[in-house]
Amino acid sequence: GAVVSQHPSWVICKSGTSVKIECRSLDFQATTMFWYRQFPKQSLMLMATSNEGSKATYEQGVEKDKFLINHASLTLSTLTVTSAHPEDSSFYICSALGRSPLHFGNGTRLTVT
Amino acid sequence: AQTVTQSQPEMSVQEAETVTLSCTYDTSESDYYLFWYKQPPSRQMILVIRQEAYKQQNATENRFSVNFQKAAKSFSLKISDSQLGDAAMYFCAYRRGGGATNKLIFGTGTLLAVQP
Repeated sequence: GAVVSQHPSWVICKSGTSVKIECRSLDFQATTMFWYRQFPKQSLMLMATSNEGSKATYEQGVEKDKFLINHASLTLSTLTVTSAHPEDSSFYICSALGRSPLHFGNGTRLTVT
Repeated sequence: AQTVTQSQPEMSVQEAETVTLSCTYDTSESDYYLFWYKQPPSRQMILVIRQEAYKQQNATENRFSVNFQKAAKSFSLKISDSQLGDAAMYFCAYRRGGGATNKLIFGTGTLLAVQP
C-alpha cells in the first residue's frame, strides 16, 4: 500500500484564494520532503526541499512567499499556494525521505479558475 | 550544474519485444546515483531501477536492466519482453552522492507506448 499520502488528489479553486496540499508519510518518519511541480507532458521540477523543524530551501525562481511550505512534524509537510492564479494550475507531487527508496505521493492536480 | 537529457520524447514497442530508452547526464561529481522512474497514467511515480556510480556491474530488476557507461555518462534502460502495463512515461534521474537528502534531477521523460 501507499506509504506517502498526498491530499487532496485534485482541487479546483478560484483565482485569489489559497490552497493547502498535505503530504504525509504513513509508516515512517520523514526528515526530508521534496515538493515538485509537473506541467502536462513535462518533467518534474523541484520547487523546494523541506526539512522537519527548519525553513524550506527553495529552488531558484520559486517564490517562497507564494508557495509556503511547512514541515512541522516528521510525518507531515504542507504546501500552501497563496493567492492562486490560473498559471499556478499544475500537478504537484511530494516525496518523502525516511528510508530507501524515496517514496512519492500520488500528486495533487490544482486547477485555478 | 548537473543535467539529465532524454533525447527520445516518444518510443513505441510491440508487446513481447525489447526496447531501449536513452539517457545521458552531465556531472563533475564522482559519487552519484542514477534512477529510472516510471509514471503511468495514474501519475504515481514508481522506481524501476537504481544504479550506484561506483558499481561497475549494471543493475537488473527482472525484465528491466540498464547499460551504465560511466565514461560516456550514459545510462540507458532496456525493457525486455515488453508488456502492455509497461506503457508509461519514463524519467531518468540523477542524484548527487553524499546523502539521500540531495535532490533528484529529472530528465524530460520518454513516453513509451506498447502495441499489442
